Amino acid sequence: DTGVSQDPRHKITKRGQNVTFRCDPISEHNRLYWYRQTLGQGPEFLTYFQNEAQLEKSRLLSDRFSAERPKGSFSTLEIQRTEQGDSAMYLCASSLVAFRRNTEAFFGQGTRLTVV
Amino acid sequence: DAKTTQPPSMDCAEGRAANLPCNHSTISGNEYVYWYRQIHSQGPQYIIHGLKNNETNEMASLIITEDRKSSTLILPHATLRDTAVYYCIVRVALYGNKLVFGAGTILRVKS
Repeated sequence: DTGVSQDPRHKITKRGQNVTFRCDPISEHNRLYWYRQTLGQGPEFLTYFQNEAQLEKSRLLSDRFSAERPKGSFSTLEIQRTEQGDSAMYLCASSLVAFRRNTEAFFGQGTRLTVV
Repeated sequence: DAKTTQPPSMDCAEGRAANLPCNHSTISGNEYVYWYRQIHSQGPQYIIHGLKNNETNEMASLIITEDRKSSTLILPHATLRDTAVYYCIVRVALYGNKLVFGAGTILRVKS
């Protein structure tokens, strides 16, 4: 297993277009997190899943954002009608939370979105 | 989760110990101190965590004061590859909960 994988690594889109990012967590990890990071700031929490259930969403996650994890494995984050303020690095992380088998969160390398 | 305060930046000479401070004066008894770092253009990487005892692993040592209001991350022999943003995070659950990042400390290791 090579860790958390995110695709694409870079995305340039025109304002108003929809974009979708994919995250493949470390296999067996039941928790999956999405964060957003703008230049010079620390990552900001967006949402997380326990298996396929979305358990928490930040107020940062506007109606234009939707995340899914349909089979409890990979996840997608879609942004509809992108705005220039959506330009950021989108980070995915995964962890295992289980009796006596807990792990820390491991992060992917992120998808850098530029809205022009 | 309690708030943390870190200096915005620090410099360290290559081969010397890097000591990164963090203040968390409002920490609660059930909150852990975590450290992550983020090397340029990469995702954050877990370093170490602790509750009240000092901890050491292959990457670093974590020293937590007796009153738990502050801590220091120590990189014993800093290398150029340790140049990164270091985040001190306090959170309740040991595992699983979201991480709340601040702005962190930019550590520059210089030759």
